[in-house]
Amino acid sequence: GQQLNQSPQSMFIQEGEDVSMNCTSSSIFNTWLWYKQEPGEGPVLLIALYKAGELTSNGRLTAQFGITRKDSFLNISASIPSDVGIYFCAGRNGGSQGNLIFGKGTKLSVKP
Amino acid sequence: DAGVTQSPTHLIKTRGQHVTLRCSPISGHKSVSWYQQVLGQGPQFIFQYYEKEERGRGNFPDRFSARQFPNYSSELNVNALLLGDSALYLCASSLHGETGELFFGEGSRLTVL
Repeated sequence: GQQLNQSPQSMFIQEGEDVSMNCTSSSIFNTWLWYKQEPGEGPVLLIALYKAGELTSNGRLTAQFGITRKDSFLNISASIPSDVGIYFCAGRNGGSQGNLIFGKGTKLSVKP
Repeated sequence: DAGVTQSPTHLIKTRGQHVTLRCSPISGHKSVSWYQQVLGQGPQFIFQYYEKEERGRGNFPDRFSARQFPNYSSELNVNALLLGDSALYLCASSLHGETGELFFGEGSRLTVL
């Protein structure tokens, strides 16, 4: 199935460092969503973006909807151990159905 | 308020068997979607239902079917199970069918032996 290009695939960082990850697509999207998934659980919605250029924050998390509508970025500032998990981007390209297309995820490990 | 609830949480089947997975959306949400997540991958879209009608279908064989009930809960059925059907099956609910945020349940982990 179709998937977005999400990078990096994994990150190993020190507690307190900032993190950046991104997602790109060959198609235009009208919605970008960012999720976090921990082992044995379903994805939890972090941030939703609906307009090109939109910059939205949720605590230490900030995400942006790219101007071209083909990409999105997620930044985590001052990482803490509980940030560990897999982060997924997901895009919706409109049409008559509202299904999401997901990236393969960025696995984040934080060393205390 | 309860989030999206799914049952069963874990199940083991053998090849050729049939499985039914169940989902209750967030109260007030009228759209339910099903996704399959195999290990190491992002979720893949299977079905979307809105107001009891199928609104979308992903690239899955006819062995996969679903329905939505008048109370907006949903079932996903998979017939003639294959080893490759082993995955986490996620249900997501949203207020509307085409827009807005999707909220996921914790999933049903299916193992096919």
